[in-house]
Amino acid sequence: ELKVEQNPLFLSMQEGKNYTIYCNYSTTSDRLYWYRQDPGKSLESLFVLLSNGAVKQEGRLMASLDTKARLSTLHITAAVHDLSATYFCAGGVEPPGGATNKLIFGTGTLLAVQP
Amino acid sequence: GAGVSQSPSNKVTEKGKDVELRCDPISGHTALYWYRQSLGQGLEFLIYFQGNSAPDKSGLPSDRFSAERTGGSVSTLTIQRTQQEDSAVYLCASSLTHTNTEAFFGQGTRLTVV
Repeated sequence: ELKVEQNPLFLSMQEGKNYTIYCNYSTTSDRLYWYRQDPGKSLESLFVLLSNGAVKQEGRLMASLDTKARLSTLHITAAVHDLSATYFCAGGVEPPGGATNKLIFGTGTLLAVQP
Repeated sequence: GAGVSQSPSNKVTEKGKDVELRCDPISGHTALYWYRQSLGQGLEFLIYFQGNSAPDKSGLPSDRFSAERTGGSVSTLTIQRTQQEDSAVYLCASSLTHTNTEAFFGQGTRLTVV
């Protein structure tokens, strides 16, 4: 069964600094997702990564996928306070026959960007 | 609608009562999912619908939990004889098809059992 682990669980960083959130998963996953959640809000889709070597960038966030290492990273460049939120990665599970499309989530990383 | 809509936003109920949570998916989305988010357990999958049928109910924690979907649209998650450990945020998501890559989440229903 797919298991997804994120680290760190909590990240406090200063504005202008760079950092990376790591997402490891245990078995083959069809796709890897990154979501953002603000306090009291729902999940906002950031990236969907479908193949080995996939890299996607949006503003100061860049996500990559290495299926051989079963690792995805979310890199934050020159952080700003507005990026403070909880970030989740999730692996997609779709067994033969396509009977389900459930997502298995990591524990989340609470990012706090200090001025 | 423009997005996934859930109601109510907040629900406080007494232990032992039944509750119904509603989800309105994005129009035209055939796949619908229920998740639960709690402090101790993180984000957990509950059930998945494709159309009106539920091929995967593996995440429902007990037989007190049930869900249905009618007309390939609205879904209702019912919790019978609520317990304090049922307190959580219940999130609904939908995607265009079950093989479509992106799932969009509603704002959730915060359930508090007192």
